[in-house]
Amino acid sequence: DTAVSQTPKYLVTQMGNDKSIKCEQNLGHDTMYWYKQDSKKFLKIMFSYNNKELIINETVPNRFSPKSPDKAHLNLHINSLELGDSAVYFCASSHGQVISNQPQHFGDGTRLSIL
Amino acid sequence: RKEVEQDPGPFNVPEGATVAFNCTYSNSASQSFFWYRQDCRKEPKLLMSVYSSGNEDGRFTAQLNRASQYISLLIRDSKLSDSATYLCVVNRRGFKTIFGAGTRLFVKA
Repeated sequence: DTAVSQTPKYLVTQMGNDKSIKCEQNLGHDTMYWYKQDSKKFLKIMFSYNNKELIINETVPNRFSPKSPDKAHLNLHINSLELGDSAVYFCASSHGQVISNQPQHFGDGTRLSIL
Repeated sequence: RKEVEQDPGPFNVPEGATVAFNCTYSNSASQSFFWYRQDCRKEPKLLMSVYSSGNEDGRFTAQLNRASQYISLLIRDSKLSDSATYLCVVNRRGFKTIFGAGTRLFVKA
């Protein structure tokens, strides 16, 4: 199936641990994104990569480090997890252009719970 | 003030009703516009792009007013399955995408 897929779907871990979330898209898109959706359901962009290059880095703690080994993959590593990191993290991709009129396609989310 | 603002609702409407959502954006450099739909505990999914000339997809009509910087979505003949959160989305130059906080719709039998 053509899609944006992210793993794991659920992640329950303790404060202070380090964890990674993986994302892959087979849509041939050149731009990928990470979003955080908190308990208030507000969807906020964290990072955007275009052709493996970091384009957008919003005010995200440097405990969050994205890595794009190729333009089909964008992984997110989180160090020293905190309670406030509990949220749903969505990966997305699109055909990116400087003027972007292309919609984004989302993965089905990773639900991160910090104990 | 948020860059993209929506009435959070909820809108509670009976089946068959017509319902309209508005969204305003503050950055005049905004380039392209979309409505997404998000069901509970699911990912956002593209509902439709929004064009200056207005566009329609079945029961859904989207309009863009660049002068007033607002976008609208009209749903006719509401179905139970239309119950969801509707997200207004704005793309700015340079890969910047801003999501509104969403408008919740409940369609009741």
